[in-house]
Amino acid sequence: AQKVIQVWSTASRQEGEELTLDCSYETSQVLYHLFWYKHLLSGEMVFLIRQMSSSTAKERSGRYSVVFQKSLKSISLVISALQPDDSGKYFCALWELGIGGIPRTQVVGQLTFGSGTRLQVYA
Amino acid sequence: DPKIIQKPKYLVAVTGSEKILICEQYLGHNAMYWYRQSAKKPLEFMFSYSYQKLMDNQTASSRFQPQSSKKNHLDLQITALKPDDSATYFCASSQDNWGYEQYFGPGTRLTVL
Repeated sequence: AQKVIQVWSTASRQEGEELTLDCSYETSQVLYHLFWYKHLLSGEMVFLIRQMSSSTAKERSGRYSVVFQKSLKSISLVISALQPDDSGKYFCALWELGIGGIPRTQVVGQLTFGSGTRLQVYA
Repeated sequence: DPKIIQKPKYLVAVTGSEKILICEQYLGHNAMYWYRQSAKKPLEFMFSYSYQKLMDNQTASSRFQPQSSKKNHLDLQITALKPDDSATYFCASSQDNWGYEQYFGPGTRLTVL
């Protein structure tokens, strides 16, 4: 079963609008982090923003912010004032502490990715 | 200047051959990773290295062997190539493997004929 689910495979908006991209995840770990990445047409995968499960702060980075609903196991990426350069594929990813809270020495850093949402922004 | 270099960008190989994918990072990171993205599939984690030690191997096949000659290098050797190995292979790095954001290279697109 997929651990990270991005329901919408595509989205499109006009320049200047705001967009929310949804992601849901499954984990039994107490500590985990969630990440959003953007995959450019050039092939580059760009880190956008991180949300820690232990944080209640509303994470924000420039025009990117997240809506984290921990009880629903949901995290949304909000992109404000959309620009044509925001076009690309957006991925949600999950990092978990480990299995059953095993010690740090066995943490491996694996990211589990969703299938992505391709965004097209029109001028 | 690019912070994570992957070479080559494109690679075409014949079935049964062997190839090495190169990855170098200049971010001063201690952890490095390989991921694979096959057609119509999400990125899949393959290997994790921390301080040049293998932390995890999620690849079922021993045909995939990571090689770390230096702290900032993590190459991927693939032997006995199969058409199913066709994919884009991404190298990534992070400060350590304790939940820090990972930075990705531009990928190597491998096609096996």
